[in-house]
Amino acid sequence: AQSVTQLDSQVPVFEEAPVELRCNYSSSVSVYLFWYVQYPNQGLQLLLKYLSGSTLVKGINGFEAEFNKSQTSFHLRKPSVHISDTAEYFCAVTLNTGGFKTIFGAGTRLFVKA
Amino acid sequence: DAGVIQSPRHEVTEMGQEVTLRCKPISGHDYLFWYRQTMMRGLELLIYFNNNVPIDDSGMPEDRFSAKMPNASFSTLKIQPSEPRDSAVYFCASSRQVGNTEAFFGQGTRLTVV
Repeated sequence: AQSVTQLDSQVPVFEEAPVELRCNYSSSVSVYLFWYVQYPNQGLQLLLKYLSGSTLVKGINGFEAEFNKSQTSFHLRKPSVHISDTAEYFCAVTLNTGGFKTIFGAGTRLFVKA
Repeated sequence: DAGVIQSPRHEVTEMGQEVTLRCKPISGHDYLFWYRQTMMRGLELLIYFNNNVPIDDSGMPEDRFSAKMPNASFSTLKIQPSEPRDSAVYFCASSRQVGNTEAFFGQGTRLTVV
């Protein structure tokens, strides 16, 4: 069965510290991978996406993610977080099953402390 | 472009009443999605349209839920009759394609059924 697992429901971190938000997926078909961010009372916004090519992708706000096919992971990283990065982050996988189906992870709440 | 526009932003209604949520997608986007977000179940795809035609409504929870897209610039999600367990944030999203293209989300409608 296809699934997306975000391993941490909450990640507290101090300002200017590095952070990694983990995402693993399970799929028997080819995938496209996305990270979205949701600020309070807002819709989701795209941070970055992996379609093909280089496994390290860079997104907005200094975030980057690395696709690891052997480990079926797509972890999100930022070397130094800001208070304004406090938000919920969703990993999403679009499966190519003939048609396309997107599955979202349960989300990781990043809380940046001063 | 103003982005995906949803209305109302908040809706409080009594159990048994009909509720209609509205969405205007980004012009030129051929795909429109309705999602529901709850703490318990996360982000769930309810239904999506391609060129105004419903493609996959397998996520619609019950016959009480219905969605229409009469033209390329407008869609509705209706719940009749509403129940307290329908309380959630409902998001509309649109995209140019599916698969390798991200979705653009509206700000959501927070529905409370009392």
